[in-house]
Amino acid sequence: AQTVTQSQPEMSVQEAETVTLSCTYDTSESNYYLFWYKQPPSRQMILVIRQEAYKQQNATENRFSVNFQKAAKSFSLKISDSQLGDTAMYFCAFMKIFQGAQKLVFGQGTRLTINP
Amino acid sequence: SQTIHQWPATLVQPVGSPLSLECTVEGTSNPNLYWYRQAAGRGLQLLFYSVGIGQISSEVPQNLSASRPQDRQFILSSKKLLLSDSGFYLCAWSVGTSFNNEQFFGPGTRLTVL
Repeated sequence: AQTVTQSQPEMSVQEAETVTLSCTYDTSESNYYLFWYKQPPSRQMILVIRQEAYKQQNATENRFSVNFQKAAKSFSLKISDSQLGDTAMYFCAFMKIFQGAQKLVFGQGTRLTINP
Repeated sequence: SQTIHQWPATLVQPVGSPLSLECTVEGTSNPNLYWYRQAAGRGLQLLFYSVGIGQISSEVPQNLSASRPQDRQFILSSKKLLLSDSGFYLCAWSVGTSFNNEQFFGPGTRLTVL
């Protein structure tokens, strides 16, 4: 079974700093997608960034980028120039396709606080 | 554009009472539908998913059941709630069977069982 582990329950940084959130996963599948979701206090789940396992190039979305190390099964999220609005729970997730549906397996989450 | 609705937004129910949470999607056809539960301070756990009307797959054995009476309607139910059913319930949808198809989440229902 696939598992996703986020080893940092909480993190806190000052505004404008760079922060990296860690995620490791375990799978025997060769092709899959990895995601980072953000859950602000409103509880709405928002997709931050995604990475296909076959692509060696790390995904980037504006201030958000990932460091995907397939052999190490590591998928960290870097937030540059952090903003107060980045304060949220961040979840790493692994996607597998099974019986016609996309199934997401989530990590436990990292609570990120950006301080002014 | 596509939207997803969940109701109620919050619910407080006594132990042993029934439950019905509803999720509807607008602006798309034949979506895949999902129910997740988020316990306090935890990540999301997939409970059920559906790839079509009347087709329900359960991920974990539990006190809950799901139904899909219409293409864009997904219902989560229980005959008798347990304290352990408390949590935040999220509905999500996606289309197609590609890895690249994003799941879109609803606003969620906060359920407290007393």
